[in-house]
Amino acid sequence: EIVMTQSPATLSVSPGERVTLSCRASQSVLTNLAWYQQKPGQAPRLLISRASTRATGIPARFSGSGSETEFTLTISSLQSEDFAVYYCQQYNNWWTFGQGTKVELK
Amino acid sequence: EVQLVESGGGLVQPGGSLRLSCAASGFTVSNNYMSWVRQAPGKGLEWVSVIYSGGSTYHADSVKGRFTISRDNSKNTLYLQMNSLRTEDTAVYYCARSEGGGSMGYWGQGTLVTVSS
Repeated sequence: EIVMTQSPATLSVSPGERVTLSCRASQSVLTNLAWYQQKPGQAPRLLISRASTRATGIPARFSGSGSETEFTLTISSLQSEDFAVYYCQQYNNWWTFGQGTKVELK
Repeated sequence: EVQLVESGGGLVQPGGSLRLSCAASGFTVSNNYMSWVRQAPGKGLEWVSVIYSGGSTYHADSVKGRFTISRDNSKNTLYLQMNSLRTEDTAVYYCARSEGGGSMGYWGQGTLVTVSS
């Protein structure tokens, strides 16, 4: 099983700040990597697929990068609606998720 | 518009059974890879089962032999039959459409399964 490790577990930020979330895979997943946003009581929402392709309707402030085992999700200027938990997911070998990074208000 | 609506969750005793349903609209279930993903209270996401467009099915080791994914093409509905339930199966269960076996672009709202005596 491919293990996905996200860091940090929690990020305390202010609106307008640049945010960088990290995700590491235990073995190469090429670019078969997605990012999701989940708010309390809601289903996950796809943000990024193929490591760097924004899903339909996702604002340009969200960007993804990386390949093989190291990946990054960047929010260029955090908006109030972006406070949430973010998960990475690999789909190179079945599907496994990271444990999530909570982005909270500082 | 693509919609996924889960139902069938509830309270069940350990060792019991439950069948979840996921009614789809706006697309054809049998033409897509469909998965069940669960989330234990306060925890992260765990992939559970997938059914491919060709009909092949696969399950995570944690549920293999106990859970069965299936679909009814005439009803455009996905199912998850859960047997021999354990307390650790307590979770919100989501159905999701996977884009060609990749990322999951559409999700239902989830249905809560609680396994407790």
